[in-house]
This record gives sequence, C-alpha cells and structure tokens, in this order.
Amino acid sequence: SQKIEQNSEALNIQEGKTATLTCNYTNYSPAYLQWYRQDPGRGPVFLLLIRENEKEKRKERLKVTFDTTLKQSLFHITASQPADSATYLCALGIGSARQLTFGSGTQLTVLP
Amino acid sequence: GAVVSQHPSRVICKSGTSVKIECRSLDFQATTMFWYRQFPKQSLMLMATSNEGSKATYEQGVEKDKFLINHASLTLSTLTVTSAHPEDSSFYICSVLLLRGHFGYTFGSGTRLTVV
Repeated sequence: SQKIEQNSEALNIQEGKTATLTCNYTNYSPAYLQWYRQDPGRGPVFLLLIRENEKEKRKERLKVTFDTTLKQSLFHITASQPADSATYLCALGIGSARQLTFGSGTQLTVLP
Repeated sequence: GAVVSQHPSRVICKSGTSVKIECRSLDFQATTMFWYRQFPKQSLMLMATSNEGSKATYEQGVEKDKFLINHASLTLSTLTVTSAHPEDSSFYICSVLLLRGHFGYTFGSGTRLTVV
C-alpha cells in the first residue's frame, strides 16, 4: 500500500540547534516533494519544493534533500528559534493531476 | 504574494443544517482549486478538485451529494456541507496551485466546522 511517514509525531530541540525532520514514502513515484509549515488553526504555508531530479534545495535557514532511491526527504532548520515551533508537513506531487498527498506532520518545538 | 481568502474561519451549526464555505483567490485567477479536510492530529486529506465551469472531481469515499462544490468563477469556489452531522466536524481548507513563482500551493486559512 502507499504510505507517507514522517519520522515522529513530535520533536523537541534546543534553540540554536539544527532540527532534522524525515519524510519517507513507499509505493509512490513523486515528480516532486514539498514541505509546508502549519500553525494551529491555520492553513499550511508553502516552504520549499524539490523536484525528483534535484538532490538538495536551500532557502535561508532551510535545507531539503530528496533521495529517490531511499524514497526519503530530509528537512533541516539550522540555528533554530522558538518561532520555528510549528507542525511541518511533507507532501508528494503525484502525476499530472497536480494533487498533493500529505504526510501526517511532525510537531516541532524549539525550546528557549 | 498570492492570497487565498477563506470564509468563515469558524462556524457552529446544528445537526441537519447546511453550511457554505467560500474560497476566493484575491489577486489571480484560479481554474482549479482543491478542498481538503483535516481531523485533529491527522494529515490533510484531499476531498475534491474544483474546476471552474465544470463539475468537481471527488476523491474516493467522499459523497458528492453531501459536499457540494461550485466553482462558478475564476476567483471563487464554494463548498457546501449539506445536512451536516457531528462527524462532519473538522477543519476544511482550500488551496490553489500557483503556476508562477515558487509553484507551490497557496492555502486558505481554513474553516473550523463544529456540528452540534
């Protein structure tokens, strides 16, 4: 069966450290993968998109890797801040329908 | 950047009544909008794809007669939950794919529906 799994439901780290979140998928062949941030009671906010032929993407303190052999994406936040505390969702773009399939998210808490 | 406005943000309705949720793209035209539902601590589940000027495409298991979608213009899609029941209580979110810029999806702020 098809699955998208994010490494843990919750992750706590100390301010200033690098947070690493994992997204693994099975039985999908995504054309691209996206990461979103979702705050409580709000819609997701787009962060980064990485295509199947790209290994790594960066944006400010964010870095995403995409390994289609391992079927895994890693999402890193460097120099984390309490304001980075939120739920982070990975989403796969499948086929030409342009629909997204989401993982269940990892709730990140950055402790001051 | 692109803005998607969703209204209302919260609604409480009685069981058996209908509720309409609006999703507007404020500064661009959207031929396609997506409607998602999210239960607490769970992922966003795609309900349907709303196409301007034509019928919506519903995901397996989503009742099209219960969740009516209308996409009558390039800037507005509506989702009507008909004959709502407590199990329909959820967080409903619309989104639009941007075909320019970052090519990500822009989401509305969501509607928290509580059926009592």
